[in-house]
Amino acid sequence: QVQLVQSGAEVKKPGASVKVSCKASGYTLTDYHMHWVRQAPGQGLEWMGRINPKTGVTKYAQKFRGRVTMTRDTSISTAYMALSSLRSDDTAVYYCARPPKIYFDWFFGYWGQGTLVTVPS
Amino acid sequence: EIVLTQSPGTLSLSPGERATLSCRASQSVSGVNLAWYQQKPGQAPRLLIYGGSIRATGIPDRFSGSGSGTDFTLTISRLEAEDFAVYYCQQYDSSFPGLTFGGGTKVEIK
Repeated sequence: QVQLVQSGAEVKKPGASVKVSCKASGYTLTDYHMHWVRQAPGQGLEWMGRINPKTGVTKYAQKFRGRVTMTRDTSISTAYMALSSLRSDDTAVYYCARPPKIYFDWFFGYWGQGTLVTVPS
Repeated sequence: EIVLTQSPGTLSLSPGERATLSCRASQSVSGVNLAWYQQKPGQAPRLLIYGGSIRATGIPDRFSGSGSGTDFTLTISRLEAEDFAVYYCQQYDSSFPGLTFGGGTKVEIK
């Protein structure tokens, strides 16, 4: 069965960077895009961007361009999301998410368990 | 970018009742580019409907999606205890960045 297992919670100082991992199992990482979505405490969902694990090509939401980097290591079926210049309003749960089926690239049928990143003010 | 506005913010209903959740877009959205998610506290969202009206794997048929243009609806025909949660709509359009979520509707027990 498809599983996305993320790395553990992080506490970072303002201005620092964080890198969250997402290990995929139950399917071939390169068969589907991998997206990243975040959710601030008590708030809604916010799409950050996606990576095509086959090619490494990325698309980022405009809000995060210049601060976010999405990469992958196909040898260990893992995708990564790095966010730099952290601020207190980056405190959120970060999710990796995969489309439900081929050709439905822009929906999220499988989700990681989430990684809480805390940036104290 | 396209802004999605969900209403009402909170819906108070009893088990067995019908729930109608609205998602309005600031510009026309292709119906096939719309999805609905359910989220319970402390959990990741769960895909309910995608492509406008396709139920995701394992989603019971009491959930249905409809709509076109700027107005979309998620209907839960008869609420069960496990349906009380927050629901989000999401759209994608080809004009990048093009992917946005609505602010959510909380369905609570009356």
